[in-house]
Amino acid sequence: GNSVTQMEGPVTLSEEAFLTINCTYTATGYPSLFWYVQYPGEGLQLLLKATKADDKGSNKGFEATYRKETTSFHLEKGSVQVSDSAVYFCALSERNTGNQFYFGTGTSLTVIP
Amino acid sequence: DVKVTQSSRYLVKRTGEKVFLECVQDMDHENMFWYRQDPGLGLRLIYFSYDVKMKEKGDIPEGYSVSREKKERFSLILESASTNQTSMYLCASSPPGQGGPWTQYFGPGTRLLVL
Repeated sequence: GNSVTQMEGPVTLSEEAFLTINCTYTATGYPSLFWYVQYPGEGLQLLLKATKADDKGSNKGFEATYRKETTSFHLEKGSVQVSDSAVYFCALSERNTGNQFYFGTGTSLTVIP
Repeated sequence: DVKVTQSSRYLVKRTGEKVFLECVQDMDHENMFWYRQDPGLGLRLIYFSYDVKMKEKGDIPEGYSVSREKKERFSLILESASTNQTSMYLCASSPPGQGGPWTQYFGPGTRLLVL
């Protein structure tokens, strides 16, 4: 079946530190991969996505590369800001399961000044 | 921009009450979804709908029902609320599955407390 595993949190970083949040997946076919972000008190917003192997999704300084050989989609940012404090969700979706999404459990990030 | 709205941000109900959570999207999306979000469990799919009057069970449908009488509106119903249904409820919508998968767009969530 389909599933997503992401690193346990919470993660606490100092401003301008390098961020990596690990995400690995299991899928029966050829999924698309997503990172969503949830700021305090809000719903989820799409951060970036990649639809095929070796694609790199990027947005707001965040990047993730779809690695089929390692079934991974790790989120990275070179220099985090206090405003990046949020919960980050990795997710996958496959054509053969309609538009159903499979989410990881979320990783909470706190960036301190 | 896609807009998904939910009828309430916060709701407090008593055990045994019937609870209605409403979700409306303005982008003419065929697909709509209801999730609940709990700490350490992430998002779990309750029900989804691919079209008007159509519904499919997700991973945790017990204790819930849904209604989709119009394309833009998807309602989640707690027939008899219980304390273990205290949670954050998130609605999402997306374009049709053909040619997808498509991004899901989320509402702001409804935080429900059942006393």
